[in-house]
This record gives sequence, structure tokens and C-alpha cells, in this order.
Amino acid sequence: GQQLNQSPQSMFIQEGEDVSMNCTSSSIFNTWLWYKQDPGEGPVLLIALYKAGELTSNGRLTAQFGITRKDSFLNISASIPSDVGIYFCAGRETSGSRLTFGEGTQLTVNP
Amino acid sequence: KAGVTQTPRYLIKTRGQQVTLSCSPISGHRSVSWYQQTPGQGLQFLFEYFSETQRNKGNFPGRFSGRQFSNSRSEMNVSTLELGDSALYLCASSLADRGEDTQYFGPGTRLTVL
Repeated sequence: GQQLNQSPQSMFIQEGEDVSMNCTSSSIFNTWLWYKQDPGEGPVLLIALYKAGELTSNGRLTAQFGITRKDSFLNISASIPSDVGIYFCAGRETSGSRLTFGEGTQLTVNP
Repeated sequence: KAGVTQTPRYLIKTRGQQVTLSCSPISGHRSVSWYQQTPGQGLQFLFEYFSETQRNKGNFPGRFSGRQFSNSRSEMNVSTLELGDSALYLCASSLADRGEDTQYFGPGTRLTVL
């Protein structure tokens, strides 16, 4: 079945630093999504990507859909304490197929 | 537009009981997916309903079931609860139309089985 490898599993950074995390898949995806989850809450959609090579920004967040369609990355610039949380990538092979989620990256930002 | 709502938010049950969780999708969304999330684990896919039909199914035992109504609201049922069923249960809805299938999550139902 599909496998999604997300790395790193955790990151400890200082406020103001930039962050990068990525996901790689064993399958070709036509959709990549990035979510952030706070403790006890549901994941919140950050960025959605639908085309290979697509680069999309949402404030300090930037995500790219890899040209091989098997990977995606998320960058956070100038991190702030409220960026703390778990970041999940998710991908879909075809329209109508189930989403596959990465295992998450736990981000800690030290003020 | 209101987001995905889930009820109840918190639930405590004992082993052997059954439970029903409810999810109301974003207005106009026709697909509802359910996930189980346990501490330290990622999101484990349970099933997806689209237009009242189960479209995708994860690898969970038959004790886990669901349904979707004509207004797209969905319920998930777990019978004969086990301690290991304690988790955050999340539902997500999507438009599921012309390739627009981005999923939006509800706040989740925290189920504790004693």
C-alpha cells in the first residue's frame, strides 16, 4: 500500500529561525495537503497543492509540490511561539481515493 | 460558512458498551471521512462516505461502522468498546466535486473507554 515518510519527526528551534520539513511517497500523488494540529483539536488546513512543481505561500508558510509528484516540502520562515504544534502532510493518488497522512512533525519553538 | 462540527466533544464509556459519534460537514460538502488518532500516532483512516455510500474503507475491525444521511451528515458507531478504542475521533468533509477534494477537519470527539 501507499507509504508516506515525513521528516523530521520532531524539531526544536529558536524563535526567529526558519523551519523545513518534507514528505516523500512511494506512489505518485495528484494532491498534497499540509495541516497543523494543536493539542486536543482537529488538524487545520494550511496549504493545498494540486499541480507538480506548484509553489504556494500562506503568510510565512511556503509549500511545494515536487516535480516527481512523490514529494512535498513545507517551509516556515521567522518562526514564532504560536507555530508550535504537529504538522502533517497528506497526499492523494487520484480524485476520490483516500488521503494518506504522514506521521507528523512535532515543532517546538523556544522564545 | 460554518465549519465541520462534531458531537459530542467528549465521551466516557466502559468496555463492552457501544457509542455513536456524529459529524455535520461544511454546507455543500458531500464527502465525510473518519479518522482515529491515538497519542503519538498519526491519523488512521477509518472510512469515507460520499452521497450516502461508503467509498473507501481502512483496516479496522467490523466493530467500527458508519453511515451517511441524505443531508450529508454522518455518524460513526463503535460496538463492544475496548480499552484500545480510547482516542480522538476526527471527521473531515470535502466538496468532492470536479477534483476539489481538500479535506477540512472538525474539532474531534475525545472518547475515553474505562
